Amino acid sequence: DTAVSQTPKYLVTQMGNDKSIKCEQNLGHDTMYWYKQDSKKFLKIMFSYNNKELIINETVPNRFSPKSPDKAHLNLHINSLELGDSAVYFCASSQGAISNQPQHFGDGTRLSIL
Amino acid sequence: DQQVKQNSPSLSVQEGRISILNCDYTNSMFDYFLWYKKYPAEGPTFLISISSIKDKNEDGRFTVFLNKSAKHLSLHIVPSQPGDSAVYFCAARNSNAGNNRKLIWGLGTSLAVNP
Repeated sequence: DTAVSQTPKYLVTQMGNDKSIKCEQNLGHDTMYWYKQDSKKFLKIMFSYNNKELIINETVPNRFSPKSPDKAHLNLHINSLELGDSAVYFCASSQGAISNQPQHFGDGTRLSIL
Repeated sequence: DQQVKQNSPSLSVQEGRISILNCDYTNSMFDYFLWYKKYPAEGPTFLISISSIKDKNEDGRFTVFLNKSAKHLSLHIVPSQPGDSAVYFCAARNSNAGNNRKLIWGLGTSLAVNP
């Protein structure tokens, strides 16, 4: 009964391909996030959704498109993958976008572009 | 421009002793701070937090100290245990930034507790 689960855990693909990463949380939270951790281990937010509405949209190439079909799911679709997209992508959730409740993280998706 | 800095990439401590992990920040608008712990191949796990209205928060073996004038916080682990070996991330947010209350993260400090 994992709280925040991401699939796949590993993703190896060719440059130029399109891929999706899925995230689901069973904590009943109303806010979900996507983070990117690059090779320098820097954890940076990409997107955040609150009750299926986009509330944080950082400077991310529009090849990245998040989709939240419901409060418990936030998927990330990436078009035309580039070498620089290689990173670990973490999904997280929390209760309340403007509260100080801590975020709960999934175990990450390791994306490698060949 | 790194607004949250953890200047020590790694720290090694003997089991039973105190571990002190440091974090500095530059944005005076930050008013809430969190520490997360991360094991390899897992996501970060929330450990402890502190609001800027306090200067200390304690939870079992973990205590966080906040020095607002110095824009500095530290995490103390006493006594340190081998299971505490992990990467520790400091994160901060501006609670008054409306919907843009994103967490700003440090680069982490890798703690090794030796038996």
